[in-house]
Amino acid sequence: EVQLVQSGAEAKQAGESLKISCEASGYSFTTYWIAWVRQMPGKGLEWMGIIYPRDSDTRYSPSFQGQVTMSVDKSINTAYLQWSSLKASDTAMYYCARRQQLGPSDYWGQGTLVTVSS
Amino acid sequence: DIQMTQSPSSLSASVGDRVTITCQASQDISNYLSWFQQKPGKAPKLLIYDASTLETGVPSRFSGSGSGTDFSFTISSLQPEDIATYYCQHYESLPDTFGPGTKLDVK
Repeated sequence: EVQLVQSGAEAKQAGESLKISCEASGYSFTTYWIAWVRQMPGKGLEWMGIIYPRDSDTRYSPSFQGQVTMSVDKSINTAYLQWSSLKASDTAMYYCARRQQLGPSDYWGQGTLVTVSS
Repeated sequence: DIQMTQSPSSLSASVGDRVTITCQASQDISNYLSWFQQKPGKAPKLLIYDASTLETGVPSRFSGSGSGTDFSFTISSLQPEDIATYYCQHYESLPDTFGPGTKLDVK
């Protein structure tokens, strides 16, 4: 069974750093992209970017380039999304999803709620 | 970047109604389109991909059609459990943009 399990909710102060995770199981981790999607409170879905675990090829949406960093650890089938200096506007739910090479994002994690206070 | 629009932004319908949502891409995306259902507090769920292919396990009352720039999503007979927000998303080229969503509720 394909599963993506994300790390738990985080409450941080503005200016702090953060790394959240997405652990994959039930499929070959290195043969599918992992996408990250943001959902701000009461708003729609925003595509942040994707990473290919086999070679860490990463593509960011222009809106998120330079704001976040995506990475993977193939040895533990885990993808990461990190911030070096959080802002209050980073408060949102963040989802990871498995994305086929030229296909849909078919399996999703349960989401990680990040709350940043100023 | 390819922009996606959806209409309507919200919709109120009765149980048993046929409901249709449209999605338009700013340029030709062939059939590289998926539809998601998101219920409050839950992750999005893939319902349809390649514009018209039903994901395994998804009820047959859901369907999708279209190609190029114009797409539609239909629920043939609305059920109470279909109350959710629906999003289209293209995957023709990066970034994989989402539509703004259609919030569906029951009259």
